[in-house]
Amino acid sequence: GENVEQHPSTLSVQEGDSAVIKCTYSDSASNYFPWYKQELGKRPQLIIDIRSNVGEKKDQRIAVTLNKTAKHFSLHITETQPEDSAVYFCAATHSGSARQLTFGSGTQLTVLP
Amino acid sequence: DSGVTQTPKHLITATGQRVTLRCSPRSGDLSVYWYQQSLDQGLQFLIQYYNGEERAKGNILERFSAQQFPDLHSELNLSSLELGDSALYFCASSMDGSTDTQYFGPGTRLTVL
Repeated sequence: GENVEQHPSTLSVQEGDSAVIKCTYSDSASNYFPWYKQELGKRPQLIIDIRSNVGEKKDQRIAVTLNKTAKHFSLHITETQPEDSAVYFCAATHSGSARQLTFGSGTQLTVLP
Repeated sequence: DSGVTQTPKHLITATGQRVTLRCSPRSGDLSVYWYQQSLDQGLQFLIQYYNGEERAKGNILERFSAQQFPDLHSELNLSSLELGDSALYFCASSMDGSTDTQYFGPGTRLTVL
């Protein structure tokens, strides 16, 4: 089955700096890669996703890049703000009748004011 | 608010007991997914239902079972509870189970004493 590895497990940045979180996946059939933000005790909230037919997607301060050859994808947050502090999870799934997500282990992002 | 609802928010019970967690998907969504989030295992897929039928199974214990009813709400039944079953249980829904975006409910925090 699919295996998703996520690094780093913790990340501290100064407010205004950029943050980058990286994930690798094992199943070459995976074709959808969402990123979720989870605040303590709250639900995972989708912040951005990318499909295998594109290499990059941006939404304001957030961007995701995908390298299918190397089987890795990354989340980039620019101009970080204290409210960006949370745990971020990457995930992967593949086409087919079942679309269950395989999650990475999470990155605790702390934005220092 | 994702539109996915879960009840109860919190559940405290004893080992050996049985509990039922309930999920209502977003309006129009046919597919429901259950995930377990624990400190040592991260976010793990348990089971998926689509329009009343089981579609995929993940790392779901035999003591756990689920179903999706004609009105599309779903229930996750956990029996013979053990201390290690203490976790956050999330339900997510998507439109048809083959499209990609999954929206998570607020979760049920289960504590087994």
